[in-house]
Amino acid sequence: GESVGLHLPTLSVQEGDNSIINCAYSNSASDYFIWYKQESGKGPQFIIDIRSNMDKRQGQRVTVLLNKTVKHLSLQIAATQPGDSAVYFCAENYGGSQGNLIFGKGTKLSVKP
Amino acid sequence: DADVTQTPRNRITKTGKRIMLECSQTKGHDRMYWYRQDPGLGLRLIYYSFDVKDINKGEISDGYSVSRQAQAKFSLSLESAIPNQTALYFCATSDPGTGETGELFFGEGSRLTVL
Repeated sequence: GESVGLHLPTLSVQEGDNSIINCAYSNSASDYFIWYKQESGKGPQFIIDIRSNMDKRQGQRVTVLLNKTVKHLSLQIAATQPGDSAVYFCAENYGGSQGNLIFGKGTKLSVKP
Repeated sequence: DADVTQTPRNRITKTGKRIMLECSQTKGHDRMYWYRQDPGLGLRLIYYSFDVKDINKGEISDGYSVSRQAQAKFSLSLESAIPNQTALYFCATSDPGTGETGELFFGEGSRLTVL
């Protein structure tokens, strides 16, 4: 069946380094992708999104890359800080409605001081 | 104060009991959602509502029901709780008018344990 998955369940990086979190999706009809950050004990928070007609989008310290050829999505965090420690989820929307967001299982990012 | 408020934040109950989780929002959004989060499984959609008269089943609606009492309120009920409904539940809202983002605004979560 269709699924959204992550290549690595955990990622540990040194403070100041760049982080790359990967996500694979299998639904070729997906046209919208989102990254969420979830800190311990809190609800997920929106980070950045990208539509399928784009291959790159930048935010503040974050960049999302979309490779539709291999159905791959990545989140790059520049100059990773301790406050970036969290679980990161990718999500895809293929139903034209926000009610059809499918979330990945999450990657835990740990930042070492 | 949080824009999306869930009550209770933690609840322990017994098998067969009826449980209601409540969600209220001050964001003025029409769309509201209930998700369930289990370790290693990410977030899964239970029900969603696009306005007061609209209720839609999500991926895992069996064993759950919802009520949209007003634009600001969306409650999730477990008529007869069972242990495999032990999970962290999130309410979320969204506003289709916020440009191109499909941003969901989540509450802080309600942790339910069914013994």
